[in-house]
Amino acid sequence: ETGVTQSPTHLIKTRGQQVTLRCSSQSGHNTVSWYQQALGQGPQFIFQYYREEENGRGNFPPRFSGLQFPNYSSELNVNALELDDSALYLCASSLAGTEETQYFGPGTRLLVL
Amino acid sequence: KQEVTQIPAALSVPEGENLVLNCSFTDSAIYNLQWFRQDPGKGLTSLLLIQSSQREQTSGRLNASLDKSSGRSTLYIAASQPGDSATYLCAVGNQAGTALIFGKGTTLSVSS
Repeated sequence: ETGVTQSPTHLIKTRGQQVTLRCSSQSGHNTVSWYQQALGQGPQFIFQYYREEENGRGNFPPRFSGLQFPNYSSELNVNALELDDSALYLCASSLAGTEETQYFGPGTRLLVL
Repeated sequence: KQEVTQIPAALSVPEGENLVLNCSFTDSAIYNLQWFRQDPGKGLTSLLLIQSSQREQTSGRLNASLDKSSGRSTLYIAASQPGDSATYLCAVGNQAGTALIFGKGTTLSVSS
């Protein structure tokens, strides 16, 4: 059984650029959630994907978008990057309809200059 | 709107001490509550998950309690070790399988 993996581990972009972050869910899990964690803060929910559809969204603007693929892996896309987008982006997978916890990946550290 | 607060923000203790981390939440209508551990720059590791119908969960030296009516949870760490040094995050789930709402965490340092 493989855990949640994310790529890349680190990324540096400049303001205005676009970025794509990737997440592979844990084997057997069909739901992926994305969180943004700024330095010194707790993670903030961005959105969740289930059956390739967005299934809940936090207080993030539309320039944050996502995809889920048939194999349950997922992408987070951020357009028109701003300096405040610099953060650790965490992906978590879970199995819908169970009381199991969400399992988190190691995260992608994004720095926007 | 659910808000989660963790006190203290930071804690330093000598090895071997027992300690308590606190978490409070504003809306008692929760589905579950979890405690996570985060090492610097890393992802989250789930420590304990308490369903709303439960009062406590135990794993090794860790014990977490939940009092929904007062909107509080505590994480008790017995006989602390330097390897316990990390940030501990409390998170509330308002519905099954949906977004977790996190506190800002308590950063624990255990000195040998």
